[in-house]
This record gives sequence, structure tokens and C-alpha cells, in this order.
Amino acid sequence: KQEVTQIPAALSVPEGENLVLNCSFTDSAIYNLQWFRQDPGKGLTSLLLIQSSQREQTSGRLNASLDKSSGRSTLYIAASQPGDSATYLCAVKGASGSRLTFGEGTQLTVNP
Amino acid sequence: DGGITQSPKYLFRKEGQNVTLSCEQNLNHDAMYWYRQDPGQGLRLIYYSQIVNDFQKGDIAEGYSVSREKKESFPLTVTSAQKNPTAFYLCASSIGQNLKNIQYFGAGTRLSVL
Repeated sequence: KQEVTQIPAALSVPEGENLVLNCSFTDSAIYNLQWFRQDPGKGLTSLLLIQSSQREQTSGRLNASLDKSSGRSTLYIAASQPGDSATYLCAVKGASGSRLTFGEGTQLTVNP
Repeated sequence: DGGITQSPKYLFRKEGQNVTLSCEQNLNHDAMYWYRQDPGQGLRLIYYSQIVNDFQKGDIAEGYSVSREKKESFPLTVTSAQKNPTAFYLCASSIGQNLKNIQYFGAGTRLSVL
């Protein structure tokens, strides 16, 4: 059974700092990995999706990498801003089905 | 406006009561999903439906029931058998069950027990 773990559970940084969020998964037979953002009491917004054959994806100040063989992904946020404060979730889709398995999330606070 | 609408935003359940959460989508998606989110935890799959009049149990289906009578609607009933229903419930949909299809999420319903 796939298990997804995110470290750290919470992170507080000053504005302008570059930061890395980590996601690890136990079964490397994945189809893709997706990073989501969740604001308090809201639904999920997709940030980046990496196919299993890809190494990284970039969108603006966000860069997500994938190392399928080691079961790891990182989300890099450059020049963090207070508006980046949210919970970040990673989810993997298995190669044998369409179901998503989610990590517990990292709660990020960027202080002005 | 295309999207997924969940209602109500907040819901309260009394002891022994069944409550129903609404999820409607106008994206013409075939597949729909219900997730439960507890504080500090990721989303866990309750039920999913690939097509009208068909649905399957997810990882934590006990104490819940669903129906899929219309393509655009996938209501979730939290029954009295669910002893710990307090959580944030998220509905999602995708074009189909194909691996390539991305899930889109509603804004969620927060359920609390009185």
C-alpha cells in the first residue's frame, strides 16, 4: 500500500527566504505526482504536476523535482512572500489506478 | 462559471442523525470523488464513482453512503453509524478514470457534531 510522508509538518520563515518542502513515497510505481496548495478552510488548488518520466516542473517561483527511484519529491519556493502562507500537499497517482494518495501536508507561514 | 460546488459550507449533526453533503459539477466530468480531511492529516478517499449509477468504496467507506443518479451530482450521506464524523469533506471530479485525468476540487464542507 502506498504511503506518502511530508516533512516538515510546519515551517515558519521570514519573507524573501528560499525554502524546500519534502515529500516521500514508499512505492515507486507511480504515474505522476502532484503538488497542491490549500488555504485555511478551502479546497485544493493544483500547483504543479510531474509525470513519472519527468525530473522537474517549474511555474513562476515554484519548482518541483521528482526522483522516482528514491521515492522523493521536493517543492522549491523562491523568494517567499506572505501570500505563500498556506498548507502544501503532495499526492501520488499509482501506475495501476487513478486513485490519489495524499501526504499529511506542510503548513507554511511566511512572516513579513 | 464552470466548477464544482459543495454545499453547505458548514453543517452540524446531532447525535443519531443522518446528514447529506451536496456536490454538484458542471464540468461534464464522468468521475467524482469524496475525501475526508482531519487536522494535520492528508485526504482519505471515502467513495468514488466512475460513471452514473456506479460507485466504489474507498479506504474509509464505513458509516458513509453515496448515490450517483445524475452525472453532475454525487451526494454523500454521513450516517449515524459514523461515530466520528467531525472533519472537512472535499469533493472532486475528473474527466474520467484514465490515468492522465486530473482531479479538480470543490471548496469543501466542514461538518461538526453538536
